[in-house]
Parts: sequence; C-alpha cells; structure tokens
Amino acid sequence: QQQVKQSPQSLIVQKGGISIINCAYENTAFDYFPWYQQFPGKGPALLIAIRPDVSEKKEGRFTISFNKSAKQFSLHIMDSQPGDSATYFCAANSGYSTLTFGKGTMLLVSP
Amino acid sequence: DVKVTQSSRYLVKRTGEKVFLECVQDMDHENMFWYRQDPGLGLRLIYFSYDVKMKEKGDIPEGYSVSREKKERFSLILESASTNQTSMYLCASRELGLAGEFFGPGTRLTVL
Repeated sequence: QQQVKQSPQSLIVQKGGISIINCAYENTAFDYFPWYQQFPGKGPALLIAIRPDVSEKKEGRFTISFNKSAKQFSLHIMDSQPGDSATYFCAANSGYSTLTFGKGTMLLVSP
Repeated sequence: DVKVTQSSRYLVKRTGEKVFLECVQDMDHENMFWYRQDPGLGLRLIYFSYDVKMKEKGDIPEGYSVSREKKERFSLILESASTNQTSMYLCASRELGLAGEFFGPGTRLTVL
C-alpha cells in the first residue's frame, strides 16, 4: 500500500515559534503534495500545496519545503499563533488517483 | 463560496439499523469521496465516485455501500450499523483533473 508517513503525532510550540511537521512518501509517481488544516468539529481545509518541480512554496506564514531525492516534504509555520492550533494532515497523489493521507499532527501553540 | 454540505452533524443509531449519510456539493465537481476519521488512524477512504452512477471501493469498503444518482449528491449507506462504525464521516469533492479536495464539515455517527 502506498504510504505517507507523518511526524510528529503531536507538537507543542510557543507563540512566535516555528512549527515544523514532516512527511515522507514512498511512491515516486506522486506529483501533488497538499497540506490540510483541521479545527475541532470542522472538516479538513486545504492549506497549501506543492508540486515537485519546485523545492519550496510560501504562502504567508506557511511554507512547504520539498526534497524530491529524499522523498520528503515538510510544513513550516513561522511566527506560530494560538489560532494555528489544529490538526495538520499531509497528503500526496498522482494524476487522477485518490489522495493518500498521513495520520495527522495535533499542533498546540501555547500563548 | 464553494460548499460541501452533509445532512447531519451528529447522528445516533442503534446496532442493526440502516443508516444513510448524505452529501451535496455545489461546485459541479465530477469526483466525490467518503472518508472516515478515527483518532490515530487519520483519514481512511471508504468509497469514491468519478461520475454519476459510478463507484469505486476505497481502502475500507466493508460494511458500506454508496449511491450517486445525481452529480451533486453522494450518499453513504451502512446496511446494518455496528458499533465499530462509530466514527466521524467526511465527504469531499474534487474537480476532474485537479488534485485538491474540498471537505464537508463531517457527520459524527455513534452506533449504540
């Protein structure tokens, strides 16, 4: 089974710090790597995504770093805020295939 | 504003009951998906549909069926609910050829 391995399971970061969540994949055919953010009681929402033709994508305080040779990608949240406290999922797919999700990371940003 | 809606936010059913979970999207998306979400297990794909009247099994289809009679509506059916189907159920849709999925708010189902 195609897998996406996500770490850590949970993360506590102080306000203003950098939150880093990592994912590793096995299938070299994957060509789309999104991150989803989920608040309690809500469905996941697409946060940011990257394709393997670039090594980094930044949107505001959120950055995806992508390492094709290592088959790894990570989410960096700069200047983390209490409002960023949520569960984050990485995912991957190729072409028309279904998304393969990581198991999620619960982020808590302490005030 | 794009939207995926699910018929119920919370549902309580008894073992053996037939359960229908409804999902409607207003984005004219071809693809629709049903996931269940459980602590520590992430999102697991139950069924998906690429078009009206088409359905494909996901990773955990056992105990479930689906129906897609109209493009905007995708129903998940638990023929005979069991306690191990207590979970959060999430519906999603995606435009053909694009990779990002839009999720509904979820239905928290409890089977007693």
